[in-house]
Amino acid sequence: ETGVTQTPRHLVMGMTNKKSLKCEQHLGHNAMYWYKQSAKKPLELMFVYSLEERVENNSVPSRFSPECPNSSHLFLHLHTLQPEDSALYLCASSQEAGRLEQYFGPGTRLTVT
Amino acid sequence: AQKVTQAQTEISVVEKEDVTLDCVYETRDTTYYLFWYKQPPSGELVFLIRRNSFDEQNEISGRYSWNFQKSTSSFNFTITASQVVDSAVYFCALSEALGSSNTGKLIFGQGTTLQVKP
Repeated sequence: ETGVTQTPRHLVMGMTNKKSLKCEQHLGHNAMYWYKQSAKKPLELMFVYSLEERVENNSVPSRFSPECPNSSHLFLHLHTLQPEDSALYLCASSQEAGRLEQYFGPGTRLTVT
Repeated sequence: AQKVTQAQTEISVVEKEDVTLDCVYETRDTTYYLFWYKQPPSGELVFLIRRNSFDEQNEISGRYSWNFQKSTSSFNFTITASQVVDSAVYFCALSEALGSSNTGKLIFGQGTTLQVKP
């Protein structure tokens, strides 16, 4: 595997379900990010992790819970979501030095029914 | 506040035409970085270029070229002899440091949807 991978690629879940999105980077980076991209909206930064420590929580509802067990893996745990949470969720990584380009995964297309 | 504006929401051209995507930014930082990303229909954002604020040299990569002008706070992207495969959403982004950490975050523009017709 190379670059940034995300699983699953597509997910349909009910509002009472609990699911997790997984991201893995194979680039040796130390910072990882979750973004949300809704239809006709700009990319919204959700969380930033640097050296496995959360350094940014962009006012995200608690029904989204991130986890970064090591610098290569990032999870987004989902529970009791709303239909408006349906979106493309993108993971990215970059070098710890920040201000450098981020490399994105292919995204998880989430549909909440 | 940091801000990136891509005023062109959608552009449609015919193959082989040249097209320029505009990007205007606002920042109080004296040192910053600018980026362009391409998002094809598959969804994955593809990094195209990073430009440092202290380097105003224009850059050319194949059919792609970038014009960075600090005086007008613009970082425009030109595709020469466009092709159908260039059809995508293009995002301009500006870096912003996150507090005292060494990690920055990117401020993205709204994106410009480019459609290249055969």
